[in-house]
Amino acid sequence: DAGVIQSPRHEVTEMGQEVTLRCKPISGHDYLFWYRQTMMRGLELLIYFNNNVPIDDSGMPEDRFSAKMPNASFSTLKIQPSEPRDSAVYFCASGIGGTGGGTGYTFGSGTRLTVV
Amino acid sequence: KQEVTQIPAALSVPEGENLVLNCSFTDSAIYNLQWFRQDPGKGLTSLLLIQSSQREQTSGRLNASLDKSSGRSTLYIAASQPGDSATYLCAVRGTSGTYKYIFGTGTRLKVLA
Repeated sequence: DAGVIQSPRHEVTEMGQEVTLRCKPISGHDYLFWYRQTMMRGLELLIYFNNNVPIDDSGMPEDRFSAKMPNASFSTLKIQPSEPRDSAVYFCASGIGGTGGGTGYTFGSGTRLTVV
Repeated sequence: KQEVTQIPAALSVPEGENLVLNCSFTDSAIYNLQWFRQDPGKGLTSLLLIQSSQREQTSGRLNASLDKSSGRSTLYIAASQPGDSATYLCAVRGTSGTYKYIFGTGTRLKVLA
């Protein structure tokens, strides 16, 4: 398995532009997570899905952020309009839930977003 | 609300030393705990996963222990090497019915050659 695949690896955009980050989870994993990492706040959970359904989006900072999972093999995180304070590394992770504790997370390599 | 703390925030040791990284959590009702490694500018790599029913897990020179009742986990690294230099994060999954991991802020480890 190729692991969790994220694209692009780096994104530089101007303030006000729309940004779309993409994630392909590991085949067979029923959970998908989007995290944001900054020096100031560490790793923050933004939203997660179970079987393509959003379960908890309480970490999404504001309405400018939206996430979708149209099928089991693809998810997007969109920021519109982007602002400089959105600059961070965005990680996607996937895992298998299970009643016995599950398998834990596997993370993608992340997308480094810079909004200028 | 679950809070995860890692001490120390940074650690610098000479090569060959055995070392212990600490993780504490406030709510002992957990499903499992996971230790990760993050290299600068890279993603997170899973090192060890300990289920709530387990006391420890081992992988090579790494050993992680879990004491749920006291809300503590330790990651023991034997015979440290410069290649072990990285940030180590612990993450806790609660039993509240949701599959969410709460992360600590990490311990930044530097092993000197």
